[in-house]
Amino acid sequence: DVKVTQSSRYLVKRTGEKVFLECVQDMDHENMFWYRQDPGLGLRLIYFSYDVKMKEKGDIPEGYSVSREKKERFSLILESASTNQTSMYLCASSSLRQAGSNQPQHFGDGTRLSIL
Amino acid sequence: SQQGEEDPQALSIQEGENATMNCSYKTSINNLQWYRQNSGRGLVHLILIRSNEREKHSGRLRVTLDTSKKSSSLLITASRAADTASYFCATDGGGGNKLTFGTGTQLKVEL
Repeated sequence: DVKVTQSSRYLVKRTGEKVFLECVQDMDHENMFWYRQDPGLGLRLIYFSYDVKMKEKGDIPEGYSVSREKKERFSLILESASTNQTSMYLCASSSLRQAGSNQPQHFGDGTRLSIL
Repeated sequence: SQQGEEDPQALSIQEGENATMNCSYKTSINNLQWYRQNSGRGLVHLILIRSNEREKHSGRLRVTLDTSKKSSSLLITASRAADTASYFCATDGGGGNKLTFGTGTQLKVEL
């Protein structure tokens, strides 16, 4: 069964801290994604990666960076956490597009991050 | 930018009734996907419909797509309390590896 694992379900950090959110997938997927989910705003894409060491900005990359040193792992980094980054963070993975069509994304259960 | 918009934002029905959710989008697509999210969990893929398809079925789910109106609907027949969740549509914007998700419909199925 496919699995995307996020390192923490709940995390509390302080303003100004550097925060690492980790995501691991066991499906040998090329694509990995980081979203944040806020009430009334749905899911917004922060960054995604389509290969090791490759990354592309999503819709809201400001204040975040990412790292993909291995195919199965995609890390989201909050360089200096701020209270407006309190949110639910979701990681997802998918295989390469086939026949010009996106493949379904598989999600982890999310990390609820609170910045105090 | 948000491309998909679901309607209604919230829906409450009795068990056994059908639930219909709608999604509108703005640009051309290769496919449209529907996902489900139980409270406090990640999203789970339900069904994918390609731009050249008009209707697709999977168990109690029926999805329609009207590319001329840039809209899709998800019908859940004979709903159950376990169907209580948020439902999201997602579009690929006509290319690339990423999806754009709507804001979701919260469905509550009461016994």
